[in-house]
Amino acid sequence: ILNVEQSPQSLHVQEGDSTNFTCSFPSSNFYALHWYRWETAKSPEALFVMTLNGDEKKKGRISATLNTKEGYSYLYIKGSQPEDSATYLCASLNDYKLSFGAGTTVTVRA
Amino acid sequence: GAGVSQSPSNKVTEKGKDVELRCDPISGHTALYWYRQSLGQGLEFLIYFQGNSAPDKSGLPSDRFSAERTGGSVSTLTIQRTQQEDSAVYLCASSAGRGNTEAFFGQGTRLTVV
Repeated sequence: ILNVEQSPQSLHVQEGDSTNFTCSFPSSNFYALHWYRWETAKSPEALFVMTLNGDEKKKGRISATLNTKEGYSYLYIKGSQPEDSATYLCASLNDYKLSFGAGTTVTVRA
Repeated sequence: GAGVSQSPSNKVTEKGKDVELRCDPISGHTALYWYRQSLGQGLEFLIYFQGNSAPDKSGLPSDRFSAERTGGSVSTLTIQRTQQEDSAVYLCASSAGRGNTEAFFGQGTRLTVV
């Protein structure tokens, strides 16, 4: 079982502020890094799938970067809105098995 | 189907009984994963199926847990002689490839063992 770690476990951000959080993953036999958003009472939904070192992906106000050599990824939320409140999960694909971190729970205060 | 379907959505069972959880993945998806989330915990990997390959069962917590995937499509997760610590939300996900494509999750089965 792979050790995928996310930090912080939770954070609160004021509406309009920007924030970011990290995911660290094993770099051996690495294949892909996934980010998911998990809202209460819903199932996780994919945000990004990244495979190459230096990859940067963006969807609206949310973006992510990937460093496969050192085994970390950052997720950024620019100008946070209340609808961004959710748990953000990262998952590392190593040897074709997708292992998830425990998530970062983001609460945006109006 | 349009998405990943899981049934039942909720299951309450008595300690010691067997339960079966069903997952119907997106048509054509070769990869299927089972995870569970216990209260206050993250997603715990249970088992992974990929096409006709032997499944990766390394996450199953005990020999009371088993899973099969018939015809490369529907999967059932069976828990025998349920214990209270088995109470969790069991999530199924499927993807089109070997993980370089996003996984689509079902709504989950909330299992409560009383």
